[in-house]
Amino acid sequence: AQKVTQAQTEISVVEKEDVTLDCVYETRDTTYYLFWYKQPPSGELVFLIRRNSFDEQNEISGRYSWNFQKSTSSFNFTITASQVVDSAVYFCALSAGNNDMRFGAGTRLTVKP
Amino acid sequence: ETGVTQTPRHLVMGMTNKKSLKCEQHLGHNAMYWYKQSAKKPLELMFVYSLEERVENNSVPSRFSPECPNSSHLFLHLHTLQPEDSALYLCASSQDRWVGGSTEAFFGQGTRLTVV
Repeated sequence: AQKVTQAQTEISVVEKEDVTLDCVYETRDTTYYLFWYKQPPSGELVFLIRRNSFDEQNEISGRYSWNFQKSTSSFNFTITASQVVDSAVYFCALSAGNNDMRFGAGTRLTVKP
Repeated sequence: ETGVTQTPRHLVMGMTNKKSLKCEQHLGHNAMYWYKQSAKKPLELMFVYSLEERVENNSVPSRFSPECPNSSHLFLHLHTLQPEDSALYLCASSQDRWVGGSTEAFFGQGTRLTVV
């Protein structure tokens, strides 16, 4: 079975703080892909990053960074020096085996000025 | 236009009404999806179309009826809905069906549906 757990329902930080969004996944497949999407108030989910199960290198893109650890089945997302524009709902997703993509419940991030 | 476009953005309908949601993608993708997003619930995959054929129907009530007349357009026909069907309905597309694959999805802005 495929499952994605985002235990943090809501997070609130003050601008310029760093914040980490947690994602834990479950799958029996050895080949799989993990994704993060951002859903701003406008509604559409925006693709942020994709990692495959064979590449555990962490990735940094500007203020965003991702920490993929197979040992703990986690794919966490950190925003450094958060900004008000980062306020959104963030979804972690898993694609594996013969299953369509499965999303976590999402984490609502509020960045206050 | 580029991306995935959904219309209408907002819809209020009575339980006896019949309405349709429309999704259009201009990305040349082969797969399209309907998702339901309810408050405090994970995104629920409703229907998947690949090359205009329905390939997945996740136990969705028959009051929701999808239609994919071509690879660029996807509809969701609604009839005799219930108040609990009120939600944000999101359409997405991907180059190919993303089963176990790496293709990312592109989403529309959704239709906010309220059933009264």
